[in-house]
This record gives sequence, structure tokens and C-alpha cells, in this order.
Amino acid sequence: DTGVSQDPRHKITKRGQNVTFRCDPISEHNRLYWYRQTLGQGPEFLTYFQNEAQLEKSRLLSDRFSAERPKGSFSTLEIQRTEQGDSAMYLCASSPDFASTEAFFGQGTRLTVV
Amino acid sequence: AQSVTQLDSHVSVSEGTPVLLRCNYSSSYSPSLFWYVQHPNKGLQLLLKYTSAATLVKGINGFEAEFKKSETSFHLTKPSAHMSDAAEYFCVVRFYGGSQGNLIFGKGTKLSVKP
Repeated sequence: DTGVSQDPRHKITKRGQNVTFRCDPISEHNRLYWYRQTLGQGPEFLTYFQNEAQLEKSRLLSDRFSAERPKGSFSTLEIQRTEQGDSAMYLCASSPDFASTEAFFGQGTRLTVV
Repeated sequence: AQSVTQLDSHVSVSEGTPVLLRCNYSSSYSPSLFWYVQHPNKGLQLLLKYTSAATLVKGINGFEAEFKKSETSFHLTKPSAHMSDAAEYFCVVRFYGGSQGNLIFGKGTKLSVKP
């Protein structure tokens, strides 16, 4: 198992464009999380899935953001009509559904909106 | 409500001196507790975890943490800092049920190590 994989690692886009990020969790991990992290801050929770069901969304997740996990495996996070304030590191994590088990993080996708 | 407080946003130590990064939690339940480290422009790496076994937990790179239920604390320590320890450290608590998919992050402590 190669761990949690995120693609792309870096993305530069013009304001107003749409972007999509992908996360491949560790196989058989049924929980998948998305976080956003800006410079000098801790990760901010965006949303999480249990299998294919999106169980919780943060108020940070505006209508321009959408996340999917269609078959309970990989997940995508789409941002429509990007704004400069969307510039951040987007982190994905996965875990088994046990409270005692840690979450495993990917390397993140660095988004820069110009 | 469950919460995690990292008491220091920035800690600076000299190489070879001890490190103490403080974390307190608030919970009605027995939580699982984790410390993660993040180097610049990298993802989060697990340092150590407490899951209701031994209260003194040893992790990677010489770090350890002690779970103190009476003080609701899980402070991270290392006897002797190394330059490579300079990074951001996050205390994370996991509960059964709760919000945010039951993972709660502290705001982080930036550790600087002076030569």
C-alpha cells in the first residue's frame, strides 16, 4: 500500500476558472476527509465521507465547492469560479472507521489562484 | 463540546535542549490522542498515538507523550532537540461520534530550533 495519494501536487489557475483535485485513499479505508490549510494555520475541516456517503460539510464549504466519492474509493474536490482566497493547501486523509485509529494524510495539493 | 487546545503557538529551543509542546483536550468521553508533525510544504506525519493502553507513549524521532486524564493533557516531549525537529506540530483528538468526522485539530505549535 502506497498511502494516501493526491493529484496534482501543485495547481496554478486563473481567477474564475474551475479546478478539480483527486484523492486516492488507502484501500479499505472507509473514511475520507478533506481539509484546507492556509499559510501558518492548522488544517481546517471541509468535509468527510463514510464510504460513498458525504456525512458532514463545514460551513467553510461554500456553494462553489463540491466533493464526491462515487464508489467509496477515490474522491474529488471541485472548486468552481476560483477566487484568490481559495489559494491554500488542500489535504486529504483517510482512516478506518475506528475511533482509536489515526488518520493517514496525503502530501496535499497546493492551489495558487492568480 | 469536544475541543483541543495547544497552549503555545510558537516554541523556540536551542539544539540539544529539551522540547515541551503542550496540549489539553476537553471531552466527555475517553478519546484517542495523536501528535502529528508537518514540515514545510509537506503533509502531516504521525509522530505517536495514545489509544487507552500505556499512558506514556513513545513515537518516532525520540518523541514521547504522556496521557494524564486528571489534567486532560497530552504534552509532547523530547529530551534533546535536533535541528531537523523544526516544524509545525499538531495535537489531534479523535472521539466516538461528534463533529468533523470525529477528528479535532489543535491550532498547531511551530517549533524553532536554534543552533
